[in-house]
Amino acid sequence: EAGVVQSPRYKIIEKKQPVAFWCNPISGHNTLYWYRQNLGQGPELLIRYENEEAVDDSQLPKDRFSAERLKGVDSTLKIQPAELGDSAVYLCASSLTFNQPQHFGDGTRLSIL
Amino acid sequence: DAKTTQPTSMDCAEGRAANLPCNHSTISGNEYVYWYRQIHSQGPQYIIHGLKNNETNEMASLIITEDRKSSTLILPHATLRDTAVYYCIVRVSSGGGADGLTFGKGTHLIIQP
Repeated sequence: EAGVVQSPRYKIIEKKQPVAFWCNPISGHNTLYWYRQNLGQGPELLIRYENEEAVDDSQLPKDRFSAERLKGVDSTLKIQPAELGDSAVYLCASSLTFNQPQHFGDGTRLSIL
Repeated sequence: DAKTTQPTSMDCAEGRAANLPCNHSTISGNEYVYWYRQIHSQGPQYIIHGLKNNETNEMASLIITEDRKSSTLILPHATLRDTAVYYCIVRVSSGGGADGLTFGKGTHLIIQP
């Protein structure tokens, strides 16, 4: 089975520019997660979706971050405008249901100049 | 979710068993022990999880103490490709309140040739 696919793998932008990340979860997986991983740290949850509904977005900085999961399959995470502190790896994960093991993509490494 | 304590780093000789300890003394009765690993420049990879009983799969074995306050992940025959950061995570995984994974800093396992 194909794993979680994320694109792009790398993104370099100047501060104050917008940026978007895309995630295609494993087919049939209802739960989708976005995490952010800073250098030398473990991933931290940003948002969790059950199908198309965001059920936990308490850690998402809503002033500049937004996410959507149209039709309950693919998802996009957007930052507008980006700040220097947003440099990190953004990881997407999916699971069959919320209480099953999560499977991660390889992430998008974002660098802000 | 209960907190976990892991050694910062460990070495193991190639071909030997790698035993990674984890302390989770405040674990609740409905919390599972999960292990993930993250190889450089990749997303975290699910290894194994358990509640009370010892578990084994094609990747590893998980030994949980009878009081559930600690556990050990065993890689029976370590190879160079097992060099990674290993995360021990405790998480409620049944009905209500199951959110994202809370990663600590993990154990950096280095397999020596």
